[in-house]
Amino acid sequence: DTEVTQTPKHLVMGMTNKKSLKCEQHMGHRAMYWYKQKAKKPPELMFVYSYEKLSINESVPSRFSPECPNSSLLNLHLHALQPEDSALYLCASSQERLGNEKLFFGSGTQLSVL
Amino acid sequence: AQSVSQHNHHVILSEAASLELGCNYSYGGTVNLFWYVQYPGQHLQLLLKYFSGDPLVKGIKGFEAEFIKSKFSFNLRKPSVQWSDTAEYFCAVNAVGSSNTGKLIFGQGTTLQVKP
Repeated sequence: DTEVTQTPKHLVMGMTNKKSLKCEQHMGHRAMYWYKQKAKKPPELMFVYSYEKLSINESVPSRFSPECPNSSLLNLHLHALQPEDSALYLCASSQERLGNEKLFFGSGTQLSVL
Repeated sequence: AQSVSQHNHHVILSEAASLELGCNYSYGGTVNLFWYVQYPGQHLQLLLKYFSGDPLVKGIKGFEAEFIKSKFSFNLRKPSVQWSDTAEYFCAVNAVGSSNTGKLIFGQGTTLQVKP
């Protein structure tokens, strides 16, 4: 299994809602990532986890809260989002956080904030 | 902080034409370099990567890239494109260093359209 699975594929939420994005991999990878991608733009790094610990937070607003409950799962909890947060949220994983490895990307969650 | 610049935003080629996409990065230290591709409706996937050794690296589907350290460049090439190469291409860099490790930064992307 060489897939990164993200759910849901699409999500529409209001600015007062609380929702969560889920990412799962069963490749034994110990590094996991959240990226945000706006239409026609490159992915922008949000968070990096290594061995279930948060290693990098790219100054992401606190309305985005990541969680890594175990080595296979990565969640992104959303609360009080703004319309400008509408984007494709991508999860990725790699064997380790060495910086020279291939990242395996999921297909993403397309988020719309109304 | 590292940054990546891709010169060509939109490239249109006919099948069998040769391809070269430019990529320059800004960082004074050691880097790991990547090209990722996003086919229409599909997820991002790795084409090729360089982190040490031979600066000419070969990837999947006949793509290759050359790392020229003196020019801070990592251009992507393919001798003969096919219609199926139509996609978005991203150059990416990871600056080597404890706080940067795993921090993969992407360029703006180049949309390649191959006409049959």
